[in-house]
This record gives sequence, C-alpha cells and structure tokens, in this order.
Amino acid sequence: KNQVEQSPQSLIILEGKNCTLQCNYTVSPFSNLRWYKQDTGRGPVSLTIMTFSENTKSNGRYTATLDADTKQSSLHITASQLSDSASYICVVSPNDYKLSFGAGTTVTVRA
Amino acid sequence: EAQVTQNPRYLITVTGKKLTVTCSQNMNHEYMSWYRQDPGLGLRQIYYSMNVEVTDKGDVPEGYKVSRKEKRNFPLILESPSPNQTSLYFCASSDRGYYNEQFFGPGTRLTVL
Repeated sequence: KNQVEQSPQSLIILEGKNCTLQCNYTVSPFSNLRWYKQDTGRGPVSLTIMTFSENTKSNGRYTATLDADTKQSSLHITASQLSDSASYICVVSPNDYKLSFGAGTTVTVRA
Repeated sequence: EAQVTQNPRYLITVTGKKLTVTCSQNMNHEYMSWYRQDPGLGLRQIYYSMNVEVTDKGDVPEGYKVSRKEKRNFPLILESPSPNQTSLYFCASSDRGYYNEQFFGPGTRLTVL
C-alpha cells in the first residue's frame, strides 16, 4: 500500500478559480514534505518543501499547508491559469535520501 | 545552465538486449537517483548514490544495475530488459543540505518489446 495518498485523482477547473489538492501520508519517521509540479512529458519541478515544524509555505500562487499531527498536507492554487494544467505530486521524505511519492493529482484548467 | 541530462530520450528495444541510459549533471551534486514512473503508481526509486562509488537500492531495484565512477554521471543499466521494464525513467540529483531539493532530468521513455 502506498504510504502517500493523494486526492482527488484528477480535477477540472475554470481559469481564474481556486482549487485545493489533498495529501495524506503514513511515512514515518518524517523529515520533510514536498510538492512537485510535473508538466506532461517532463520531469517534476519543486514547488515547496516543508519540514515538520513548518505549517505553511507559499510559492507565488501556490500555498502548501502541513499538519504533521494528522499527517495531512494540502496544496492550494489561487487564481488558476492555463499553465497550471499539470500533475501535482506530493512527496514525503523520511530522511535525506529516500523519497515516497504519491500518484499525483492531474489538474486541467479550462478557459 | 544548471541541468540534469538523460540519453536517450526515447528508446524501443527487444527483450534481452542490454541497454544503458546515461544521466549527467553539471551542478556538482553529490546525490543522484533513478526513478521509474508508471501510470497510477507514481514515481518509484530504483537506485540512489550518495557519492562516488557509493550506491544503494531503492524500492524497485530488481533487473537494474548502476555505477557511480564519476561525480557527474550515474548510468542506469538494464542487463536483460523485459517488457515489465517498459516505463518512463527519471534521473535526479541534489546537493547535501537539509532540504536537499532534487532536480529532475527530462525523462527517458523506454519500451521493451
């Protein structure tokens, strides 16, 4: 069973609207949690990285939150743009070198 | 330009024919890793290397080999490819540090017939 579960699997939103993606994890111990954006056919690109002591981090229109007690994270996209269409991957790291990946949420932004 | 490069980007081969996918980074990173990505499963780590001559197995190492003779290069070797190794492969590198942000290559799409 995957130790990092993401929901929804996919979603469609209209340009300019907001959306929130969810990530639940069971990875232990916990070092940090990352959100990556992956455009079709390309490698993932880091959006945010948070340690257990951080509960929110922003990168432009992307805001990630973390609740280490409940082992939940979310990624909020504000005022979506067509270029936000991509897969968003939650990654949990128990140490410096091992990464556990979620299956990703595919976001489609429509004009 | 700081980057991770992979070659080839696309490869179609037949069962049992040995192949090597190269990975090179120009950021002087100590850590490098290989992943495979399959639909619905997300990325899974194959092997990683914390430094030259130091490698370790990830979650799905069976059927793969790696070597790290130079800091910048980390080739992935499939000695006898099988159809279940058809996948999208990514190489990544990072520097030491608390966040050790990983930089991914563009991917190699491998099809084994």
